[in-house]
Amino acid sequence: EDQVTQSPEALRLQEGESSSLNCSYTVSGLRGLFWYRQDPGKGPEFLFTLYSAGEEKEKERLKATLTKKESFLHITAPKPEDSATYLCAVQANTGFQKLVFGTGTRLLVSP
Amino acid sequence: SQTIHQWPATLVQPVGSPLSLECTVEGTSNPNLYWYRQAAGRGLQLLFYSVGIGQISSEVPQNLSASRPQDRQFILSSKKLLLSDSGFYLCAWSVSGLGYTFGSGTRLTVV
Repeated sequence: EDQVTQSPEALRLQEGESSSLNCSYTVSGLRGLFWYRQDPGKGPEFLFTLYSAGEEKEKERLKATLTKKESFLHITAPKPEDSATYLCAVQANTGFQKLVFGTGTRLLVSP
Repeated sequence: SQTIHQWPATLVQPVGSPLSLECTVEGTSNPNLYWYRQAAGRGLQLLFYSVGIGQISSEVPQNLSASRPQDRQFILSSKKLLLSDSGFYLCAWSVSGLGYTFGSGTRLTVV
C-alpha cells in the first residue's frame, strides 16, 4: 500500500531562519510527488510536482528535492506569510493513480 | 482558465438530516473529479472519484454517496448525517489524472 509520512508535525521558525520539511514515501511505482500549501480553512494550493530522483524545483523561498525514498521542502529565509500547512502526496503509476497524502507539517514563522 | 467552485463554505447540520454538497468545474472538459475529506491529524482521505458522467467509484464504505449528473458537476450526498461525518470536505479535479486542483472546501459540522 502506498504511504506518505511527513515530519515534523509542526515547526516553529523565526523570520529568516531556514529549515527543511521531510516527506518519506513508499509507492509501487512513482508517477509523481506533489507538494501543496494549505492555509487554515482553505483548500490545498499546488506548489510543485517532482517526477524522478535527483529532480529539484524552486519557487521564491521554497525548493523541493526528490530521492528514491523521500522528498524535502527547503525554506530559505522564511517570512511570516510562509506560515501554513505543507502537504506532500504521491501518485503511483499503476492502478487508479490516486493521490495519497501525508498528514502535513504545520509551519509557523514568527516575525 | 480552469476554475473550481465548491459550496457552501460552512454548514452546520443536525444528526439525521440530509446533506448535499456541490462542486462545479469551469474551463475544462471531461475532468476526473474527486471528493476528499480532511480530519484533524489524519490527512486527506479520498472518498469518491469519477472519470465520467454517471461513473462513481467509492474508496471508503461510509454513510455518504456521490453523483455526477453532468460532465463538470460532482455532488456529495447523505440521507442521514452522523456525528462522525463532521469534517472538511474538498472537491478536486484533474485532467489526465496527473496532479489535482482543489476547491476551497466545505466545513461541515454535524451537531
